Amino acid sequence: QQQVKQSPQSLIVQKGGISIINCAYENTAFDYFPWYQQFPGKGPALLIAIRPDVSEKKEGRFTISFNKSAKQFSLHIMDSQPGDSATYFCAASSPNAGKSTFGDGTTLTVKP
Amino acid sequence: EAGVAQSPRYKIIEKRQSVAFWCNPISGHATLYWYQQILGQGPKLLIQFQNNGVVDDSQLPKDRFSAERLKGVDSTLKIQPAKLEDSAVYLCASSLVGGGTEAFFGQGTRLTVV
Repeated sequence: QQQVKQSPQSLIVQKGGISIINCAYENTAFDYFPWYQQFPGKGPALLIAIRPDVSEKKEGRFTISFNKSAKQFSLHIMDSQPGDSATYFCAASSPNAGKSTFGDGTTLTVKP
Repeated sequence: EAGVAQSPRYKIIEKRQSVAFWCNPISGHATLYWYQQILGQGPKLLIQFQNNGVVDDSQLPKDRFSAERLKGVDSTLKIQPAKLEDSAVYLCASSLVGGGTEAFFGQGTRLTVV
């Protein structure tokens, strides 16, 4: 059972464009929703995270939008840059479980 | 602050051989995770430690995989015997506490089973 579904699998955008990655979850006990960025040969690194008590969180060019009733959340990357080219994973965790359940990732390519 | 250290970076073994991976988490982090990341997929949790106790090993194939966390600090993950489908990147991560906090990942060990 895949508890976190991520789309699209791959995404190509032009420099300066907006990249949007979507995730949907099933477990209503999840209360922490991080996004991780992974470059080839590296481990995932936390990019931005949100808790369900807010509908949006913005850090620089990165914004998470959260829809609790729809059990969906998305990552928006504004003014996308070639250096943003990486694989992005959404994840979800509950306070008791601790572990994060990851989506299958989105490979983002930003063309100059 | 030093990050999560893992070794080796790469390992190639034949099927039915054994292999071990080592992880040194960030100092002071009580929670340690081992994830398996198969190419094209997201990381999947194998085992979670809180200090030196196991919190979750529900997805660990216990007939071939084992893990321990020595004195609540370093950890080793062992596979014996390895199968072709074990080819993956094995990621170690640590966090201050358990759920709802940032996990810091090491660079991983890329295992190829031939």
